[in-house]
Amino acid sequence: DAGVIQSPRHEVTEMGQEVTLRCKPISGHNSLFWYRQTMMRGLELLIYFNNNVPIDDSGMPEDRFSAKMPNASFSTLKIQPSEPRDSAVYFCASSRVSSEAFFGQGTRLTVV
Amino acid sequence: EDQVTQSPEALRLQEGESSSLNCSYTVSGLRGLFWYRQDPGKGPEFLFTLYSAGEEKEKERLKATLTKKESFLHITAPKPEDSATYLCAVYSGGGADGLTFGKGTHLIIQP
Repeated sequence: DAGVIQSPRHEVTEMGQEVTLRCKPISGHNSLFWYRQTMMRGLELLIYFNNNVPIDDSGMPEDRFSAKMPNASFSTLKIQPSEPRDSAVYFCASSRVSSEAFFGQGTRLTVV
Repeated sequence: EDQVTQSPEALRLQEGESSSLNCSYTVSGLRGLFWYRQDPGKGPEFLFTLYSAGEEKEKERLKATLTKKESFLHITAPKPEDSATYLCAVYSGGGADGLTFGKGTHLIIQP
């Protein structure tokens, strides 16, 4: 298996623009997570899906953030409008329920 | 709210110099404690899961142990390739399946 695949690896955008991050989880995994990593706050859970259904989005910082999982093999995290403080590395991870999570390589987002 | 504190924040060792990393946690009911390794520019890589106090797991030069309040990652005779950030995370369930991570220990092994 190729592991969790995220795209793009790097994204530079201007403040106010819409940003969409993409994730393909490992086949057979039914849980998917979006995390954000910064130097100040470390890894923070943004949202968690189980069987394509959002279970816990309490970590989503603002209404500017939204996530979807239209099917078992694809998820998106959208930021609209983007702000400089959204600059971070965003990770997608997948797992079988209550098992260890496997992470993608991340998307480094820079909002200028 | 689950909390995870890792210490030290950074550690520099000579090759072959053994040491331990600490992970202290506060959770309502621990269902699993996870150790990950993260290299620069990459996602965290899974190392171990520990489920109950007294449990130990080993992989090459690494051994993870668990008590009711903390976990240790022991590194024996480390090599430069062990240099990385080591992350600890806890899972307590309670309706949310996500992990709560500590901020990590940045480990540098000098040849």
